[in-house]
Amino acid sequence: DQQVKQNSPSLSVQEGRISILNCDYTNSMFDYFLWYKKYPAEGPTFLISISSIKDKNEDGRFTVFLNKSAKHLSLHIVPSQPGDSAVYFCAASTGSNYKLTFGKGTLLTVNP
Amino acid sequence: EAGVTQFPSHSVIEKGQTVTLRCDPISGHDNLYWYRRVMGKEIKFLLHFVKESKQDESGMPNNRFLAERTGGTYSTLKVQPAELEDSGVYFCASRPRITGELFFGEGSRLTVL
Repeated sequence: DQQVKQNSPSLSVQEGRISILNCDYTNSMFDYFLWYKKYPAEGPTFLISISSIKDKNEDGRFTVFLNKSAKHLSLHIVPSQPGDSAVYFCAASTGSNYKLTFGKGTLLTVNP
Repeated sequence: EAGVTQFPSHSVIEKGQTVTLRCDPISGHDNLYWYRRVMGKEIKFLLHFVKESKQDESGMPNNRFLAERTGGTYSTLKVQPAELEDSGVYFCASRPRITGELFFGEGSRLTVL
């Protein structure tokens, strides 16, 4: 029973364009959401988070949108750069206890 | 500042053998977590230490897995005896006491033959 779903295993975009990564969740108790980025042979690196009291959080080129009624969140990267090429994981928790439930990840490839 | 370090980076063992994975969290981080990613699956929570105490071990698969955190510093995760389905990457992560994000190590890849 997958509570956090990333339905796109991969995404390819051109450098300079927008990358949109999507994530759906089923557990209505989740109230804290995070995005992690992972390069091969490295651990996941925190990117950005959002609490359920907000619907948007922005940090530089990265913006996360949360639609609680649809149980959906998305990560926007603008503009995309080749160095952004990595696997992106969506994660969720109940409270900020960091008992995270992860999605399977989306491989983003940004082409020069 | 040193990050979360894990050892070994890769271990290959036979079914039925024992393996011990070690994690050294970032200095001063009271919270330590173990996660695991089995091939093709999502990263899953195993357990959470606060200092030397197990706060939550609800994700531990079965009693073949034993985690300890000596003196609230480094942690070990022992698998005994190892089974084929234990193969995967074991990630350790730590974070400060009150708040702050999770910092992951590079992971220990376990291959059980």
